[in-house]
Order: sequence, then C-alpha cells, then structure tokens
Amino acid sequence: DIVMTQSPDSLAVSLGERATINCKSSQSVLYSSNNKNYLAWYQQKPGQPPKLLIYWASTRESGIPDRFSGSGSGTDFTLTISSLQAEDVAVYYCLQYYSSPRTFGQGTKLEIK
Amino acid sequence: EVQLVESGGGLVQPGGSLRLSCAASGFTSTSYWIHWVRQAPGERLVWVSRINGDGSRTTYADSVKGRFIISRDNAKNTLYLQMNSLRAEDTAVYYCARVGDSSAFDLWGQGTMVTVSS
Repeated sequence: DIVMTQSPDSLAVSLGERATINCKSSQSVLYSSNNKNYLAWYQQKPGQPPKLLIYWASTRESGIPDRFSGSGSGTDFTLTISSLQAEDVAVYYCLQYYSSPRTFGQGTKLEIK
Repeated sequence: EVQLVESGGGLVQPGGSLRLSCAASGFTSTSYWIHWVRQAPGERLVWVSRINGDGSRTTYADSVKGRFIISRDNAKNTLYLQMNSLRAEDTAVYYCARVGDSSAFDLWGQGTMVTVSS
C-alpha cells in the first residue's frame, strides 16, 4: 500500500496569512502515460464529510475559492491557502488514487492563530 | 439535488451484523464506481470497499475481506454494505463516496455511525 504522510500534524496561522500543508507519498503517484498525478486534497469540518478541493494535484474543483491551490509532482505535494479566512478552519487530508487501496494522509488540523 | 444518503448505522455487539445503505439521487448512479470509506473517531479516513456501476466488480480492504459484502440495486439507486462478524475496531463513521470524472471522490454522503460494543 502507498503510505501518505502529511506535515505538519497541526498548524496555526493568522487571518489573512498563508497556510502551507505538505503531503508525501511512499511511492510516486505520477502516471507516466498521461502525466497526471493521482493526488487529491480534501477539507473536513467537524461533523461533516470531506469536501474535494483539488484533484490531479493542482486542479481546483468547481466552486472552490482561488485562494486554495495545489502543487507538486511524483511523491511531494503541497496545499496552499494564500490568505486564510475564518471559514478555512478544518482538517485537511491528501488522498492518493494512483493504486488500490486508495490511501489518505493522517490529516492536518488548521487553526487560527 | 445530487446527493448520497447513508443509513443503517447503530450499536451492535461484537460478532453481530449490520447492513448499511447508500441511496443515490440526482445523477445516473450506474455510471459511477461507488466506494465505502470509514473514519474512526479522531482518526484518518480509511478505504473499505468499492463496486463498479453494474455491480460486477468489487474490491475490499484486507481488514474487512471475508466479513463485508458490497452490493448495489440499480433499480433502487441504492448501494449496500453488509457487515458481518463485526469487531470493536470496525467502530467508525461510514461514508459512501462517488468517483467522479476526476477519478477522485467528488461526492460524499453525510455518513452513518457504526458502534461495535458490548
């Protein structure tokens, strides 16, 4: 199984500041035939299901604010929130869907400083 | 409205059984793989099982293989997870999730809680 490791486990950022969350996979999730990274980012608020933010490592899902962006390739990925808003307080997860079983990172809890 | 709605969770004793349901609406569910993902309290999301559009292909996590059965009734736009021989470590919120055109999970149900305890 591909192991997904996020860092940090928790993060406190001031409103309006940048938040950066990292995700590392134990093996590459880049599919060479289509040059796509099979990596997604989710936001989960208490009592709610995960919400898709980013897929193919850097494509924003419809309706997601442009302050959310994803980058990286191969085994190292980053989710960036350019200007933190109060409603962004949540746990963020990365997911690899390159191979079965699909595996998630352990989550990063984002709070307001 | 495009949605998935789970039901069937509850409290069950170790060794018991439960059947979860996932009702799909607002889209042609037969066109999509649907997965079950669970989340124990305070823990990460863990993939459990998947089924293709016509129900002919299924896959399970090693931790549930031989105990859980995934199925679907496309006439009712409903998917099921039959859970047998339940253990305390199966305690979690169970979500059904759709695989979209992006190949990621793009639509999730609200989840149903399963508690295995004596």
